[in-house]
Amino acid sequence: DAKTTQPNSMESNEEEPVHLPCNHSTISGTDYIHWYRQLPSQGPEYVIHGLTSNVNNRMASLAIAEDRKSSTLILHRATLRDAAVYYCILRDYGTYKYIFGTGTRLKVLA
Amino acid sequence: DTEVTQTPKHLVMGMTNKKSLKCEQHMGHRAMYWYKQKAKKPPELMFVYSYEKLSINESVPSRFSPECPNSSLLNLHLHALQPEDSALYLCASSHPKTSGSIYEQYFGPGTRLTVT
Repeated sequence: DAKTTQPNSMESNEEEPVHLPCNHSTISGTDYIHWYRQLPSQGPEYVIHGLTSNVNNRMASLAIAEDRKSSTLILHRATLRDAAVYYCILRDYGTYKYIFGTGTRLKVLA
Repeated sequence: DTEVTQTPKHLVMGMTNKKSLKCEQHMGHRAMYWYKQKAKKPPELMFVYSYEKLSINESVPSRFSPECPNSSLLNLHLHALQPEDSALYLCASSHPKTSGSIYEQYFGPGTRLTVT
């Protein structure tokens, strides 16, 4: 199973953009890149996913490197409610298996 | 309704007890999952059911016994657990995989289990 590596923690000021990096150098051609976040005392929630092209949705943007060996989750304006652990996950489209990385704990400062 | 519910929220059990965790969803999802999450660690997949049949068992000890009695309900039966089994148990659901499709998982809030 392909693995991801993320920084343990990051800090951001409120109302500023946040760029959360993820390295996945062993990614295969059929692996999708997923991001989930886990707020305190809650289960993980879906944020965004992509394969090759950059993706945008109402929550965030996902920037994928041309060689697909890394990606960046972008929160355009961090709020206090975005404080959570963000997980970058690779998933082969042919399997149900999600292998969660160690995650990045994001702290948002007021 | 995009909610996955789990009961109970908290459970304390002795090593000789038998208990069950329950998970329910009404989104029409036909894939359901159990994960185990230790403190400050990522969730680890335990079991996957697809169309009410066990699809993945990640070499979980037999003291954990999953059951999927219908498409909306997932149970995890617990027996003779060890203190190291204390963790947050998360249930999730999704549409079943089809060729080339990717569907996100919806997670419940979890059951926090303490084994004494």
